Amino acid sequence: TQLLEQSPQFLSIQEGENLTVYCNSSSVFSSLQWYRQEPGEGPVLLVTVVTGGEVKKLKRLTFQFGDARKDSSLHITAAQTGDTGLYLCAGLFHGGSEKLVFGKGTKLTVNP
Amino acid sequence: ETGVTQTPRHLVMGMTNKKSLKCEQHLGHNAMYWYKQSAKKPLELMFVYNFKEQTENNSVPSRFSPECPNSSHLFLHLHTLQPEDSALYLCASSQFSGQGVEPQHFGDGTRLSIL
Repeated sequence: TQLLEQSPQFLSIQEGENLTVYCNSSSVFSSLQWYRQEPGEGPVLLVTVVTGGEVKKLKRLTFQFGDARKDSSLHITAAQTGDTGLYLCAGLFHGGSEKLVFGKGTKLTVNP
Repeated sequence: ETGVTQTPRHLVMGMTNKKSLKCEQHLGHNAMYWYKQSAKKPLELMFVYNFKEQTENNSVPSRFSPECPNSSHLFLHLHTLQPEDSALYLCASSQFSGQGVEPQHFGDGTRLSIL
């Protein structure tokens, strides 16, 4: 069974702080997606990364795909209360089936 | 508005009831999915339909029965459920191309509680 490990599981910070969350696996990904899920809603795609070493930016969010395509990170600069939510990574494993495998997520709370 | 609509948003049922969850997508996608989201567990894929044909049944118990009458609608028929089936059930759609990078668009889910 291919697993994605996300860390930390919970994170509570003050507005204005920076943070990084991680997504790791012992297997190689063909591609990896990050989603954010707010309470009472379904997950919404933030970004897809495909190439090892790739860095993508979405306003204050920076996504990095590891060179070996086994890990990824999401860095948020100057967090805002609107960033509160569950951050999920989901990967398609190289040589595996076509279905996405999700991590358990990082629950982020940004306090005013 | 996500383009994927799920009804009902909340459902409470007894173990002997029969009910159905409905999902409708307005995005013109050709693939639809059912996921189960439980506390402290990763999102679990249940079923996948590509072009109305079921292509994935992830060892789901037979008390869950999917139906995909067309590429825009997906149902999950429920009968004789167990308390451990209480969870958030999410529907998603995507434009399947075999490349593996297509984003999935999720509905807001049905919160199911089994008494």
